[in-house]
Amino acid sequence: EAQVTQNPRYLITVTGKKLTVTCSQNMNHEYMSWYRQDPGLGLRQIYYSMNVEVTDKGDVPEGYKVSRKEKRNFPLILESPSPNQTSLYFCASSPAGQWFQPQHFGDGTRLSIL
Amino acid sequence: GIQVEQSPPDLILQEGANSTLRCNFSDSVNNLQWFHQNPWGQLINLFYIPSGTKQNGRLSATTVATERYSLLYISSSQTTDSGVYFCAVGNSGGSNYKLTFGKGTLLTVNP
Repeated sequence: EAQVTQNPRYLITVTGKKLTVTCSQNMNHEYMSWYRQDPGLGLRQIYYSMNVEVTDKGDVPEGYKVSRKEKRNFPLILESPSPNQTSLYFCASSPAGQWFQPQHFGDGTRLSIL
Repeated sequence: GIQVEQSPPDLILQEGANSTLRCNFSDSVNNLQWFHQNPWGQLINLFYIPSGTKQNGRLSATTVATERYSLLYISSSQTTDSGVYFCAVGNSGGSNYKLTFGKGTLLTVNP
């Protein structure tokens, strides 16, 4: 089954404790992206990657890091999480040659940073 | 960056009614997509429609790129249509592959 898998689905942690949210897709897609969703703000893009070792900033990259060492994986790293990063996070993927094609989303990761 | 405005922010319908959701954007785009987020939080792509008209069952969408807006039509609404509808746009000129989302329209369909 074609899917984008995020882990964990839920996490409560404390300020400053480094965490990683993993994202994996099994569709051989080149384009992958991270979004955060906050009430009243819709979804905002954090980072995206057009292919292995190619990443670029979205609209709200501050406080986040990403890496793309393998095509299927695109982890989101919070080196020193802060309460303002409490949010619902989504990973998405699509074929890069067809960036214009619909994006497939994971089921989301709800992070709470105390 | 591109600004995206969606209207109305909230919409309440009785089952069977029709509705039109609007997405205005501030610049030319070559990527426009409509998404539905169901009450369980899952995001489902409805249409990729940077221009023209598409239909899928009870849903259809029209984008008038020259006037910088897109419309999503829902006919004979059902309770399962409830959720938030997002419009997302992008322009890959300059090798910029960002997608910008609107704040969404919250649709509630009552039985």
